[in-house]
Amino acid sequence: QKEVEQNSGPLSVPEGAIASLNCTYSDRGSQSFFWYRQYSGKSPELIMFIYSNGDKEDGRFTAQLNKASQYVSLLIRDSQPSDSATYLCAVNPFRDSNYQLIWGAGTKLIIKP
Amino acid sequence: NAGVTQTPKFQVLKTGQSMTLQCAQDMNHNSMYWYRQDPGMGLRLIYYSASEGTTDKGEVPNGYNVSRLNKREFSLRLESAAPSQTSVYFCASSDGEAQYFGPGTRLTVL
Repeated sequence: QKEVEQNSGPLSVPEGAIASLNCTYSDRGSQSFFWYRQYSGKSPELIMFIYSNGDKEDGRFTAQLNKASQYVSLLIRDSQPSDSATYLCAVNPFRDSNYQLIWGAGTKLIIKP
Repeated sequence: NAGVTQTPKFQVLKTGQSMTLQCAQDMNHNSMYWYRQDPGMGLRLIYYSASEGTTDKGEVPNGYNVSRLNKREFSLRLESAAPSQTSVYFCASSDGEAQYFGPGTRLTVL
Protein backbone atom coordinates (compact mmCIF):
# COMPACT_ATOMS: atom_id res chain seq x y z
CA GLN A 1 0.00 0.00 0.00
CA LYS A 2 1.34 3.35 -1.03
CA GLU A 3 1.63 5.71 1.95
CA VAL A 4 2.51 9.26 2.81
CA GLU A 5 3.25 10.10 6.42
CA GLN A 6 3.53 13.38 8.28
CA ASN A 7 4.02 14.26 11.92
CA SER A 8 0.67 15.66 13.05
CA GLY A 9 2.30 18.29 15.29
CA PRO A 10 1.64 20.87 16.40
CA LEU A 11 4.99 22.29 15.38
CA SER A 12 5.59 25.57 17.18
CA VAL A 13 8.05 28.04 15.63
CA PRO A 14 8.90 31.61 16.72
CA GLU A 15 8.04 34.42 14.32
CA GLY A 16 10.93 35.16 11.96
CA ALA A 17 12.48 31.70 12.29
CA ILE A 18 12.62 28.93 9.69
CA ALA A 19 9.83 26.36 9.85
CA SER A 20 10.77 22.92 8.55
CA LEU A 21 8.07 20.43 7.65
CA ASN A 22 8.75 16.87 6.55
CA CYS A 23 6.84 14.16 4.75
CA THR A 24 7.92 10.58 4.04
CA TYR A 25 6.60 8.45 1.21
CA SER A 26 6.71 4.72 0.58
CA ASP A 27 6.83 4.40 -3.23
CA ARG A 28 10.39 4.90 -4.43
CA GLY A 29 9.18 5.51 -7.98
CA SER A 30 7.04 8.55 -7.08
CA GLN A 31 7.20 11.27 -9.71
CA SER A 32 5.94 14.52 -8.20
CA PHE A 33 5.44 15.97 -4.74
CA PHE A 34 2.98 18.61 -3.59
CA TRP A 35 2.60 20.91 -0.61
CA TYR A 36 -0.76 22.41 0.31
CA ARG A 37 -1.71 24.82 3.07
CA GLN A 38 -5.07 24.53 4.80
CA TYR A 39 -6.37 27.17 7.18
CA SER A 40 -8.93 26.04 9.74
CA GLY A 41 -12.36 25.74 8.14
CA LYS A 42 -11.01 26.35 4.63
CA SER A 43 -10.04 24.20 1.67
CA PRO A 44 -6.49 23.08 0.79
CA GLU A 45 -4.53 25.62 -1.22
CA LEU A 46 -1.56 24.67 -3.39
CA ILE A 47 1.74 26.19 -2.24
CA MET A 48 4.12 24.50 -4.66
CA PHE A 49 5.12 21.20 -6.19
CA ILE A 50 8.34 19.62 -7.36
CA TYR A 51 9.32 16.79 -9.61
CA SER A 52 11.66 13.94 -8.76
CA ASN A 53 14.52 15.72 -10.54
CA GLY A 54 14.99 18.74 -8.32
CA ASP A 55 14.18 21.23 -5.58
CA LYS A 56 12.29 24.51 -5.96
CA GLU A 57 12.24 27.89 -4.27
CA ASP A 58 9.30 30.30 -4.44
CA GLY A 59 9.57 33.40 -2.31
CA ARG A 60 9.83 32.35 1.34
CA PHE A 61 9.05 28.72 0.51
CA THR A 62 11.49 25.99 -0.53
CA ALA A 63 10.59 22.40 -1.31
CA GLN A 64 13.40 19.85 -1.17
CA LEU A 65 13.45 16.18 -2.10
CA ASN A 66 15.67 13.51 -0.56
CA LYS A 67 15.17 10.51 -2.83
CA ALA A 68 17.59 8.25 -1.01
CA SER A 69 15.70 8.62 2.28
CA GLN A 70 12.31 9.06 0.59
CA TYR A 71 11.21 12.27 2.19
CA VAL A 72 10.25 15.71 0.99
CA SER A 73 10.62 18.89 3.03
CA LEU A 74 8.99 22.30 2.99
CA LEU A 75 11.02 25.15 4.46
CA ILE A 76 9.33 28.42 5.32
CA ARG A 77 11.77 31.28 5.90
CA ASP A 78 10.96 34.35 7.98
CA SER A 79 7.85 32.65 9.40
CA GLN A 80 4.85 34.90 9.95
CA PRO A 81 1.79 34.37 12.16
CA SER A 82 -0.24 34.13 8.93
CA ASP A 83 1.70 30.95 8.12
CA SER A 84 -0.06 29.21 11.01
CA ALA A 85 -2.08 26.47 9.31
CA THR A 86 -2.09 22.74 8.59
CA TYR A 87 0.31 21.73 5.83
CA LEU A 88 -0.63 18.76 3.68
CA CYS A 89 1.87 16.75 1.68
CA ALA A 90 0.73 14.78 -1.37
CA VAL A 91 2.61 12.46 -3.70
CA ASN A 92 1.91 11.26 -7.21
CA PRO A 93 3.14 7.66 -7.19
CA PHE A 94 1.95 6.61 -10.61
CA ARG A 95 4.32 6.39 -13.48
CA ASP A 96 1.68 6.35 -16.20
CA SER A 97 -1.18 8.29 -14.70
CA ASN A 98 -1.56 11.68 -13.11
CA TYR A 99 -5.08 11.04 -11.92
CA GLN A 100 -4.58 10.44 -8.22
CA LEU A 101 -2.53 11.82 -5.36
CA ILE A 102 -1.70 10.03 -2.13
CA TRP A 103 -2.21 12.39 0.81
CA GLY A 104 -0.61 12.73 4.20
CA ALA A 105 -2.81 13.67 7.16
CA GLY A 106 -1.07 17.02 7.62
CA THR A 107 1.17 18.83 10.09
CA LYS A 108 -0.25 21.66 12.16
CA LEU A 109 2.14 24.62 12.25
CA ILE A 110 1.87 27.39 14.84
CA ILE A 111 3.94 30.54 14.46
CA LYS A 112 4.33 32.32 17.80
CA PRO A 113 4.58 36.16 17.67
CA ASN B 1 -12.22 32.85 -13.12
CA ALA B 2 -14.19 31.38 -10.25
CA GLY B 3 -12.00 28.23 -10.16
CA VAL B 4 -13.87 25.37 -8.47
CA THR B 5 -17.29 26.11 -7.02
CA GLN B 6 -19.40 23.89 -4.77
CA THR B 7 -22.99 24.05 -3.58
CA PRO B 8 -24.32 24.02 -0.97
CA LYS B 9 -21.83 25.31 1.61
CA PHE B 10 -23.69 23.74 4.53
CA GLN B 11 -26.33 21.01 4.76
CA VAL B 12 -28.09 19.15 7.56
CA LEU B 13 -29.83 15.89 6.67
CA LYS B 14 -31.77 13.33 8.60
CA THR B 15 -30.74 9.67 8.37
CA GLY B 16 -32.14 8.14 5.20
CA GLN B 17 -32.54 11.39 3.28
CA SER B 18 -30.86 11.86 -0.08
CA MET B 19 -29.03 14.81 -1.55
CA THR B 20 -26.69 15.80 -4.35
CA LEU B 21 -23.58 17.92 -3.92
CA GLN B 22 -22.76 20.01 -6.96
CA CYS B 23 -19.32 20.93 -8.25
CA ALA B 24 -18.25 22.96 -11.27
CA GLN B 25 -14.89 24.17 -12.57
CA ASP B 26 -14.09 26.78 -15.18
CA MET B 27 -10.41 25.92 -15.71
CA ASN B 28 -10.99 23.46 -18.56
CA HIS B 29 -9.49 20.64 -16.50
CA ASN B 30 -10.02 17.06 -17.58
CA SER B 31 -9.88 15.40 -14.16
CA MET B 32 -12.19 15.97 -11.22
CA TYR B 33 -12.34 14.47 -7.73
CA TRP B 34 -14.54 14.14 -4.66
CA TYR B 35 -12.91 13.88 -1.24
CA ARG B 36 -14.14 13.76 2.30
CA GLN B 37 -12.13 15.12 5.21
CA ASP B 38 -12.68 14.01 8.78
CA PRO B 39 -10.75 15.27 11.81
CA GLY B 40 -7.37 13.57 12.11
CA MET B 41 -7.87 11.46 8.98
CA GLY B 42 -6.76 13.71 6.16
CA LEU B 43 -8.31 13.68 2.71
CA ARG B 44 -9.90 10.45 1.51
CA LEU B 45 -10.83 10.01 -2.13
CA ILE B 46 -14.44 8.99 -2.73
CA TYR B 47 -14.66 8.99 -6.54
CA TYR B 48 -12.78 10.56 -9.38
CA SER B 49 -13.28 11.24 -13.05
CA ALA B 50 -10.12 11.15 -15.15
CA SER B 51 -11.93 12.66 -18.11
CA GLU B 52 -15.42 13.48 -19.33
CA GLY B 53 -17.41 10.28 -19.62
CA THR B 54 -15.42 8.23 -17.11
CA THR B 55 -15.70 7.75 -13.36
CA ASP B 56 -13.85 5.45 -10.96
CA LYS B 57 -14.04 4.50 -7.31
CA GLY B 58 -11.57 5.87 -4.85
CA GLU B 59 -10.72 4.74 -1.36
CA VAL B 60 -14.16 5.17 0.27
CA PRO B 61 -16.93 4.90 -2.39
CA ASN B 62 -19.58 3.01 -0.40
CA GLY B 63 -22.79 4.98 0.05
CA TYR B 64 -22.02 7.44 -2.75
CA ASN B 65 -22.61 7.79 -6.47
CA VAL B 66 -21.24 10.31 -8.93
CA SER B 67 -22.10 11.79 -12.30
CA ARG B 68 -19.74 13.59 -14.64
CA LEU B 69 -22.39 15.68 -16.32
CA ASN B 70 -19.99 17.37 -18.75
CA LYS B 71 -16.41 18.59 -18.68
CA ARG B 72 -17.25 21.32 -16.16
CA GLU B 73 -19.53 19.54 -13.71
CA PHE B 74 -19.10 16.58 -11.37
CA SER B 75 -21.82 15.78 -8.83
CA LEU B 76 -21.82 13.54 -5.77
CA ARG B 77 -25.02 11.87 -4.60
CA LEU B 78 -25.86 10.37 -1.23
CA GLU B 79 -28.85 8.09 -1.79
CA SER B 80 -29.59 7.30 1.86
CA ALA B 81 -27.55 9.42 4.23
CA ALA B 82 -26.05 7.89 7.38
CA PRO B 83 -24.47 9.60 10.41
CA SER B 84 -21.10 8.14 9.33
CA GLN B 85 -21.28 10.42 6.28
CA THR B 86 -21.08 13.52 8.46
CA SER B 87 -17.97 15.20 7.09
CA VAL B 88 -16.58 18.03 5.02
CA TYR B 89 -16.71 17.28 1.31
CA PHE B 90 -14.27 18.82 -1.15
CA CYS B 91 -14.39 18.77 -4.90
CA ALA B 92 -11.16 19.27 -6.82
CA SER B 93 -10.05 19.47 -10.42
CA SER B 94 -6.67 18.84 -11.99
CA ASP B 95 -4.68 19.94 -14.99
CA GLY B 96 -2.80 16.63 -14.87
CA GLU B 97 -0.41 17.88 -12.21
CA ALA B 98 -1.73 19.70 -9.16
CA GLN B 99 -5.26 19.54 -7.84
CA TYR B 100 -7.27 22.67 -7.11
CA PHE B 101 -10.00 22.61 -4.52
CA GLY B 102 -13.43 24.11 -4.09
CA PRO B 103 -14.49 25.75 -0.81
CA GLY B 104 -16.15 22.59 0.53
CA THR B 105 -19.55 21.47 1.79
CA ARG B 106 -20.00 20.86 5.50
CA LEU B 107 -22.55 18.05 5.83
CA THR B 108 -24.17 16.88 9.06
CA VAL B 109 -26.35 13.78 9.13
CA LEU B 110 -28.53 13.46 12.22
